[in-house]
Amino acid sequence: EAEVAQSPRYKITEKSQAVAFWCDPISGHATLYWYRQILGQGPELLVQFQDESVVDDSQLPKDRFSAERLKGVDSTLKIQPAELGDSAMYLCASSSQGTGANVLTFGAGSRLTVL
Amino acid sequence: KQEVTQIPAALSVPEGENLVLNCSFTDSAIYNLQWFRQDPGKGLTSLLLIQSSQREQTSGRLNASLDKSSGRSTLYIAASQPGDSATYLCAVIADDKIIFGKGTRLHILP
Repeated sequence: EAEVAQSPRYKITEKSQAVAFWCDPISGHATLYWYRQILGQGPELLVQFQDESVVDDSQLPKDRFSAERLKGVDSTLKIQPAELGDSAMYLCASSSQGTGANVLTFGAGSRLTVL
Repeated sequence: KQEVTQIPAALSVPEGENLVLNCSFTDSAIYNLQWFRQDPGKGLTSLLLIQSSQREQTSGRLNASLDKSSGRSTLYIAASQPGDSATYLCAVIADDKIIFGKGTRLHILP
């Protein structure tokens, strides 16, 4: 069964350091999402891509977060510098046709701990 | 602004019981609604997707219903098992946005 791949699964870093997460969506899925989930909360959208274009990054803290999907396939989410409040699970998801009738498939997530 | 609420936040029931998880949303103009399961420290696994034109979907022991007019969805789990213990999240899809509830943490007591 096709999966959304994410790495690393776990990352521990000190504040002010840079950190990057990688996501490879299901082959052929045009839409890719990055979510942040704080413990005990639901996921919150950080950025949504349609192919290589950003569709929604209104909730992305652009002073420290950046995301790219240069070839419209895999994607990287970067945080620089990391802050204590960035400790969370970072989830990547993909769907075949954007928000709508299609099932959203999530990866296993990348858990970030900032010390 | 669409808001999604899940009640209760946590639920413990004895094994074998049937149970219902609730999800409510404030704006009935939704495209579809999706239920997910999340095990501790893991990603989300899709359980059921209900289109706005549908009233319910079933998969095995799971049945999800949707009442758009009242802004409610329920996830019914029949004959609960310890392996059903997890957090269950609902997500509402509308205006090209996906809004999640905070989830219900379910614990099935052996």
